[in-house]
Amino acid sequence: GAVVSQHPSWVICKSGTSVKIECRSLDFQATTMFWYRQFPKQSLMLMATSNEGSKATYEQGVEKDKFLINHASLTLSTLTVTSAHPEDSSFYICSARVSTNYGYTFGSGTRLTVV
Amino acid sequence: GESVGLHLPTLSVQEGDNSIINCAYSNSASDYFIWYKQESGKGPQFIIDIRSNMDKRQGQRVTVLLNKTVKHLSLQIAATQPGDSAVYFCAESAGNQFYFGTGTSLTVIP
Repeated sequence: GAVVSQHPSWVICKSGTSVKIECRSLDFQATTMFWYRQFPKQSLMLMATSNEGSKATYEQGVEKDKFLINHASLTLSTLTVTSAHPEDSSFYICSARVSTNYGYTFGSGTRLTVV
Repeated sequence: GESVGLHLPTLSVQEGDNSIINCAYSNSASDYFIWYKQESGKGPQFIIDIRSNMDKRQGQRVTVLLNKTVKHLSLQIAATQPGDSAVYFCAESAGNQFYFGTGTSLTVIP
């Protein structure tokens, strides 16, 4: 089946540094990918919609300068958390639409801890 | 974003019993719904989906019911097994984005 590979699965970084998270569609082309954020025991919150070859669409309240999204190819979207702070510590998950009838598939998630 | 919420945050069932997880959504324009299962530390896993032109859809041991009149969605799991223990989310879409509900933690008691 369709697989989205997300990397890294866990990262610890110092406050003030930047972290890049990658999501790759392994056996299909993803013109659109979605980035979610999830705090412990909470639901997934949509951060932004990433479109190949164009600018990402951010949800209200999400800082586009802090969460940089790049979708340069049909199989790769990246999320860069810039100048990370402890409050950015969270579980970040990407998702891609596989096809009209097949629904959406998710990456395995990245746990970011900012110390 | 949209407002999607779940009635019960936690649910415990005996192994072998049937489970019912409920979800309320607020956007009457939503036309596509998905149930996901999420195990601790992992990404969501697709379970079953349903479009708004349907009231019921069945999968393997799972059934999704959609009541558009009251904007309610439910997931029924037959013969619940220990491996079904996880957090279950419903998600709705009226376009290209998905919005998730709060989540229900299902615990299966052996």
